Amino acid sequence: DIQVTQSPSTLSASVGDRVTITCRASQSVGTWLAWYQQKPGKAPKLLIYRASSLESGVPSRFSGSGSGTEFTLIISSLQPDDFATYYCQQSNIGDTWMFGQGTKVEIK
Amino acid sequence: EVQLVESGGGLVQPGGSLRLSCAASGVTFSSFAMSWVRQAPGKGLEWVSIISRTGTDSYYADSGKGRFTISRDTSRNMLYLQMNSLRPEDTALYYCAKGRPNSGSTDAFDIWGQGTMVTVSS
Repeated sequence: DIQVTQSPSTLSASVGDRVTITCRASQSVGTWLAWYQQKPGKAPKLLIYRASSLESGVPSRFSGSGSGTEFTLIISSLQPDDFATYYCQQSNIGDTWMFGQGTKVEIK
Repeated sequence: EVQLVESGGGLVQPGGSLRLSCAASGVTFSSFAMSWVRQAPGKGLEWVSIISRTGTDSYYADSGKGRFTISRDTSRNMLYLQMNSLRPEDTALYYCAKGRPNSGSTDAFDIWGQGTMVTVSS
């Protein structure tokens, strides 16, 4: 089975910081990778699909890049509403849709 | 507005069964794959199962193979997850989620319900 690993597990940052979260797959997933944001007590929210496509309504400070086994989610200027946990997900490889373990973005 | 509402969670003893339901509204239900994702208390997201638009194909994470069965009733805009032989490690909040896009392979889940809690304990 494909394994999906995120880093770091926790990230401390300040409002206005540029934030980078990395996701690595154990084998190539092409661009079949999505990113989600989850706040406490809430359902996840889709941010990015197909590695770099911004979901409708998501602020442009969020961007995704990468292909194959290494992917990046970047928040260009962290806003107060962005403190949350972020998950990557490989999609439709080996008929699985596995999530990474999550990255919690905390206030520094 | 697209809305997904889960129900059917509760407290069940180890070895027991439970059937979760997800009611979809505001969407042409037959146009999308549908999935179940769970989250144990304080833990990350875990994909559970997915079913194709037509219901002819379904896939499962290893954790649920042989115990869980996903199904859908397009006429009623309903998604189901039959869970048998439940274990304490199945304790989680279970979300239903809508796949995107409406053609080709599902590349992400763009609409989520609020979840229904399943607790497996004696």
